[in-house]
Amino acid sequence: EVQLVESGGGLVQPGGSLRLSCAASGFTVSSNYMSWVRQAPGKGLEWVSVIYSGGSTYYADSVKGRFTISRHNSKNTLYLQMNSLRAEDTAVYYCARGDYGGNSEPYFDYWGQGTLVTVSS
Amino acid sequence: QPVLTQPPSSSASPGESARLTCTLPSDINVGSYNIYWYQQKPGSPPRYLLYYYSDSDKGQGSGVPSRFSGSKDASANTGILLISGLQSEDEADYYCMIWPSIWVFGGGTKLTVL
Repeated sequence: EVQLVESGGGLVQPGGSLRLSCAASGFTVSSNYMSWVRQAPGKGLEWVSVIYSGGSTYYADSVKGRFTISRHNSKNTLYLQMNSLRAEDTAVYYCARGDYGGNSEPYFDYWGQGTLVTVSS
Repeated sequence: QPVLTQPPSSSASPGESARLTCTLPSDINVGSYNIYWYQQKPGSPPRYLLYYYSDSDKGQGSGVPSRFSGSKDASANTGILLISGLQSEDEADYYCMIWPSIWVFGGGTKLTVL
């Protein structure tokens, strides 16, 4: 059974840093592409970052240069290092496993429960 | 970044059908993309429901009932999620998504089952 469990969220001051973790089980993180998707309170979903099985990484413009996605293969865990945090980064952060649908388009088939990040002084 | 437009809310009665729409911007042709649909209940993560490209290229998420189906209206450049035989448990937020090289979500529709 595929399971994703996020941790590391909390309250942080503007300009601060936080590292989120996503422990995976039931599959191998390095064999799939993995993403972080966030949801501000009462708002919709926003894709944040992806790491492909080959190691390539991509970011949304809103976090480029401030966030870094990585994985630890032996721990089967995904990470998101968040620096220079802003109030607008306040959200529930979900890790999501990627798969390929029709026409080989990538989508997210499994999601974790999410971890709340609050950026406030 | 393209914007997918979803009505903020929709409602229908148990047993009826609900038709949720996802309109793509005019510079993105709905016929060229898979339309993915997710369901999210309060306090829970999104759940993958299905994708629709065409009648011959579509897929259902694991355990998703067949009363959830997708389609497109090319004339309106819109993806559609149809939920037939509405049940109270279908009350949730529904998000559409496309992948024009990055993942883009609609703003979501809150479906109320009256």
